[in-house]
Amino acid sequence: NAGVTQTPKFRVLKTGQSMTLLCAQDMNHEYMYWYRQDPGMGLRLIHYSVGEGTTAKGEVPDGYNVSRLKKQNFLLGLESAAPSQTSVYFCASSYSGVQDSYIQYFGAGTRLSVL
Amino acid sequence: KNEVEQSPQNLTAQEGEFITINCSYSVGISALHWLQQHPGGGIVSLFMLSSGKKKHGRLIATINIQEKHSSLHITASHPRDSAVYICAVAFTGNQFYFGTGTSLTVIP
Repeated sequence: NAGVTQTPKFRVLKTGQSMTLLCAQDMNHEYMYWYRQDPGMGLRLIHYSVGEGTTAKGEVPDGYNVSRLKKQNFLLGLESAAPSQTSVYFCASSYSGVQDSYIQYFGAGTRLSVL
Repeated sequence: KNEVEQSPQNLTAQEGEFITINCSYSVGISALHWLQQHPGGGIVSLFMLSSGKKKHGRLIATINIQEKHSSLHITASHPRDSAVYICAVAFTGNQFYFGTGTSLTVIP
């Protein structure tokens, strides 16, 4: 099993450009998450999904959109990239939610620079 | 405000030492998650706790709900344990709040 796969691994954008980050999981997990990690700060939740066709906002959702059209895929979109969105982005998935104590499985991360 | 604090921020140990990393939080939680981030950036979940103690190999995680505190212990530390250890807590719902991590270096 591949687990959680993120593409691309690296990307450089100019301010105002758009892009989509793809997260794919092959573990039949219901829950998927997008986080960002910045120097000196803990991981912060951007958006998450509790199942196909559903999404919800996390701690820092502004400037991002997401879609979960298929259970195995969770897409993170930046419509108009800003330098403040320079970060490392992690996708994660879990069988069930926090309340059921299921651990999260993480992708390898996408390093994004916005110039 | 939901807060998660880890200590120490940085830790250097000699191979074989017993290591303790601490995590404190501000209000009641529903779950606590310990993770390991490798030098290359990959993140691996170690434990999910809501009470008591869990053990896996040389790693032990404990949680004291009344004191709002959790510890991650590593017995017989090894250079391959060098990584950043991250504590995350869930206060309500499906959202985790993450600490800034403890950077551990184990010297041979």
